[in-house]
Amino acid sequence: GNSVTQMEGPVTLSEEAFLTINCTYTATGYPSLFWYVQYPGEGLQLLLKATKADDKGSNKGFEATYRKETTSFHLEKGSVQVSDSAVYFCALSVPGSDYKLSFGAGTTVTVRA
Amino acid sequence: DTGVSQDPRHKITKRGQNVTFRCDPISEHNRLYWYRQTLGQGPEFLTYFQNEAQLEKSRLLSDRFSAERPKGSFSTLEIQRTEQGDSAMYLCASSLAKDSGNTIYFGEGSWLTVV
Repeated sequence: GNSVTQMEGPVTLSEEAFLTINCTYTATGYPSLFWYVQYPGEGLQLLLKATKADDKGSNKGFEATYRKETTSFHLEKGSVQVSDSAVYFCALSVPGSDYKLSFGAGTTVTVRA
Repeated sequence: DTGVSQDPRHKITKRGQNVTFRCDPISEHNRLYWYRQTLGQGPEFLTYFQNEAQLEKSRLLSDRFSAERPKGSFSTLEIQRTEQGDSAMYLCASSLAKDSGNTIYFGEGSWLTVV
């Protein structure tokens, strides 16, 4: 089956620190990979995506590279801000079932001033 | 605001009562989805519509759950005879499926608490 494993949280950082959230996946076929973010009291927002190997998705200073050889899609940001405090979800979809996202359990990130 | 909107945002109901949630997708999106999210977990797929046709339902969607999208625009999710285990956030999402990909956009969710 299809599944996503995320680094467990919570993660607490100071402002301007480097953030990495690990994500690995198992999938039948060639998946598309996504990072969604959920700010307190809000719904999910698409942060970035990648659809093929070695693609790099980027948005708002966040980056993730699709690594087929290690089945990974780790999220990174070089300098976090308090406003980055949120829950981050890694997800995938597979061809033929692109309507169905499989999510990881989420990683809670808290950034302190 | 042209995002996915859901109503109500919060609902508290007594066990055994029926509840209905409404979702208005992004205009012109042909696909509409329902997901469920419990505390500390990622969202889980429940069902999806392509226009007005309901094309897949998850095993999570018991007989007490019914979703409709009568005119291919808004959708409703009804839960009959609610149970405490139904307490969760119900997320609606929509997308415009095309050859170049299918990016799914989520609403803010409807929180259900069954007491």
